Amino acid sequence: AQTVTQSQPEMSVQEAETVTLSCTYDTSESNYYLFWYKQPPSRQMILVIRQEAYKQQNATENRFSVNFQKAAKSFSLKISDSQLGDTAMYFCAFMKGGGGSNYKLTFGKGTLLTVNP
Amino acid sequence: EAGVAQSPRYKIIEKRQSVAFWCNPISGHATLYWYQQILGQGPKLLIQFQNNGVVDDSQLPKDRFSAERLKGVDSTLKIQPAKLEDSAVYLCASSLVAGGEQFFGPGTRLTVL
Repeated sequence: AQTVTQSQPEMSVQEAETVTLSCTYDTSESNYYLFWYKQPPSRQMILVIRQEAYKQQNATENRFSVNFQKAAKSFSLKISDSQLGDTAMYFCAFMKGGGGSNYKLTFGKGTLLTVNP
Repeated sequence: EAGVAQSPRYKIIEKRQSVAFWCNPISGHATLYWYQQILGQGPKLLIQFQNNGVVDDSQLPKDRFSAERLKGVDSTLKIQPAKLEDSAVYLCASSLVAGGEQFFGPGTRLTVL
């Protein structure tokens, strides 16, 4: 079974600054995907960024980037130029790859990020 | 394109009562998921459908929870009878194909008194 651990229950950052959210995971799978999801106060979960485990290059989406350290089983999210709209709960999630049809997401407990003006 | 729709958005019931939640996935999405999100925790998968067949229901408490996806489109999740520990947000998600990006609905917040 896979586990996902987010060790920072809450974080805060000043607007325009950079913040990094941490995530570690445990799995015996060799083929998998990692995700960061954002859940704003309205509770609609949206995908922020996705990383395929077989790719060495870290994924980037505009102001969001990840630091994927496969050997260390670490997957952190960096948010640059933080904006007030980035205030949300952020979840790290794991999905097994490799074919078949079972593609459930296993989530961490989340990190509540507050961006202060 | 319309997103995943869920209703009701909020529900308050007494323990031992029954409740049902409805989900309408994005049009054309073959895979549908129900997650349970207890306060302070990440979502946990309850059941995954591929079209109208069940792929994974290993974490569904089958003595009280049931789910169906008739005709491979809409889905309902039912709890009968509800317990206090069922208080949570129930999230529905869908993806075009298994393994594709999952799009989440707004959720149904259930409070069991």
